[in-house]
Amino acid sequence: DQQVKQNSPSLSVQEGRISILNCDYTNSMFDYFLWYKKYPAEGPTFLISISSIKDKNEDGRFTVFLNKSAKHLSLHIVPSQPGDSAVYFCAASSQGGGADGLTFGKGTHLIIQP
Amino acid sequence: EADIYQTPRYLVIGTGKKITLECSQTMGHDKMYWYQQDPGMELHLIHYSYGVNSTEKGDLSSESTVSRIRTEHFPLTLESARPSHTSQYLCASSSGWGYGYTFGSGTRLTVV
Repeated sequence: DQQVKQNSPSLSVQEGRISILNCDYTNSMFDYFLWYKKYPAEGPTFLISISSIKDKNEDGRFTVFLNKSAKHLSLHIVPSQPGDSAVYFCAASSQGGGADGLTFGKGTHLIIQP
Repeated sequence: EADIYQTPRYLVIGTGKKITLECSQTMGHDKMYWYQQDPGMELHLIHYSYGVNSTEKGDLSSESTVSRIRTEHFPLTLESARPSHTSQYLCASSSGWGYGYTFGSGTRLTVV
C-alpha cells in the first residue's frame, strides 16, 4: 500500500516554462515533506522541504505547496532549465515515527525540452 | 563536496559471493539508513540505525545485514549474493526529524 504517490511517471516541459510536479499521500500522521532530485547513477540530493504548519515554502526557482486537507503537495519550478531534467522524488515523514524514516514516492522523470 | 561516501560505485559479482557495501559519513549524524531502489521504483528502507550498536530492519525485507560499531560507519553485508539482489543501494544519514537526509552516491550492484 503506497503511502506516498506520484502518479505521473514522466513530465515533459519546455525550457523557460513552469514545471509542476504533484504528490499525494494517505498517511495523516505525515508532518514533514521533502522533494529530492536524482540524476542517473547518483544519490538523491535534497531540494526543498515543508512542514505541516506551513502551506508554502519558496527557495529561488523552487516552491513547494502543501494542501493538508487534500493530502496533496506540489513542486513548482519557474523558469524550468535544462539542468532540471532529472527524476524528482516526493518524500514524507512523521515526527516520532519509526526511525524518522522517509517514505518515498516512485518519482517523476522531468524532461526539459529546449 | 560529499559528506557521505559509498564504495564501490559499481560492483559486478558472481552468485554466492560475500560482499560488503561501505558507507561513511563525516557529519557526526547519529541516524543512518540504507535504501534499495530498482529502476522506476520508489526507494525502500531496508535498514536503519539510531546510533552506535543500534540496528533495525526497515520496511522492505532484505537478506542483507548491517553493523554500526562507529558513528561514522554503517556497512551493509550480503553473505551470499544472488541475482535477485541486483539493485541500487543508497546510504543516507540525518541529524533527525525535520532535517531531511544526506544521501551518498549509491552502489549499483549486479549479481550474475
